[in-house]
Amino acid sequence: GEDVEQSLFLSVREGDSSVINCTYTDSSSTYLYWYKQEPGAGLQLLTYIFSNMDMKQDQRLTVLLNKKDKHLSLRIADTQTGDSAIYFCAESIGGNKLVFGAGTILRVKS
Amino acid sequence: EPEVTQTPSHQVTQMGQEVILRCVPISNHLYFYWYRQILGQKVEFLVSFYNNEISEKSEIFDDQFSVERPDGSNFTLKIRSTKLEDSAMYFCASSDVGGSYGYTFGSGTRLTVV
Repeated sequence: GEDVEQSLFLSVREGDSSVINCTYTDSSSTYLYWYKQEPGAGLQLLTYIFSNMDMKQDQRLTVLLNKKDKHLSLRIADTQTGDSAIYFCAESIGGNKLVFGAGTILRVKS
Repeated sequence: EPEVTQTPSHQVTQMGQEVILRCVPISNHLYFYWYRQILGQKVEFLVSFYNNEISEKSEIFDDQFSVERPDGSNFTLKIRSTKLEDSAMYFCASSDVGGSYGYTFGSGTRLTVV
């Protein structure tokens, strides 16, 4: 089946690191994505990782993929108040559609 | 940076009315999608479209829904007879071949059925 699970809420202090976790079920997923949604806005692609990679770093963002456990994480270094948003994990199914998690609300306290 | 544009940003319609949601995908993308997000729920896949035909659709995408690419730039979602439960944010997306470089989403159309 196709299912993506995320923790619902994360609260961190400004300057700390944030780690948002995700698990997925479809082992044939070729790409896994992280999207950011600010209030009232659309879905902004943050980063993605190909399934044969273990890690991808892009400035303050680090994605870790454990394919054996079907676990994906997004680490945001030096979290800022502007990072407060909902973060969605998504897996690509058959290269034809995305299956999203329910989203993790990240709250950054100053 | 190229964008996916959706209009209108908010649409209010009476139950039973037809609505058409419009999207202009990124010009060199070949794959087009509609997703919806009911308030407080997951973003759900509705339909994918490639080479002028539907390539995949979900259970949500029943006979009340249709998609069309009427010209070289627009991609539309039509709901023939809206129901209260169709109220949601509808997102259009486009991608290059197989989504290998990510899917670009529009800002969404908030549909409210009253």
